[in-house]
Amino acid sequence: EVQLVESGGALVQPGGSLRLSCAASGFTFNTYTMNWFRQAPGKGLEWVSLISSSSSAIHYADSVRGRFTVSRDNAKKSLYLQMNSLRAEDTAVYYCARDYGDPWGQGTLVTVSS
Amino acid sequence: QSVLTQPPSASGTPGQRVSISCSGSSSNIGSNYVYWYQQLPGSAPKLLVYRNTQRPSEVPARFSGSKSGTSASLAISGLRSEDEADYYCAAWDDSLSGYVFGTGTKVTVL
Repeated sequence: EVQLVESGGALVQPGGSLRLSCAASGFTFNTYTMNWFRQAPGKGLEWVSLISSSSSAIHYADSVRGRFTVSRDNAKKSLYLQMNSLRAEDTAVYYCARDYGDPWGQGTLVTVSS
Repeated sequence: QSVLTQPPSASGTPGQRVSISCSGSSSNIGSNYVYWYQQLPGSAPKLLVYRNTQRPSEVPARFSGSKSGTSASLAISGLRSEDEADYYCAAWDDSLSGYVFGTGTKVTVL
């Protein structure tokens, strides 16, 4: 069974940093592109970042470019999202997903507030 | 802000057919695959349709996707109470080099 489990969400002050992790199992992790998505409270879905299977291609949404960094460790079957200079508008549930969302993880909540 | 446009709501009685539209542009739907997701209250999104018309094996045949030009549609036939959820379309956008989502459609079963 394909499983994605996010962790690392927390309450953080504006300007702070946080690192999210996504542990993958049940599939050949090193052959898949991975994505981060997010959903602010009561709002729709938003794509955050993409990283290709070998990390050779990386893309970011304009809203996070320069502040967030995506990475992966294929040996550990893990995906990461380093989030710096966090803002209130980054408050959301963050989901990792295999490729275009097949499947999504259960999500981890990031709250940016003083 | 969402780049793809969906109606905010749709409804039907049990057994009816409901259709949800998704309008984009040449840089997204017009040149890339469309995906549809179902999000039940309090749950993570679930993939319903990929590559415009394909369904994962566990998704019932009542759900079907189509695409024409810069628009796409999701149809739910034989509507059931458990279909009450939010539905989102998405596509890769060549201009933005990222995925763009629709505004979301809340389906209500009357």
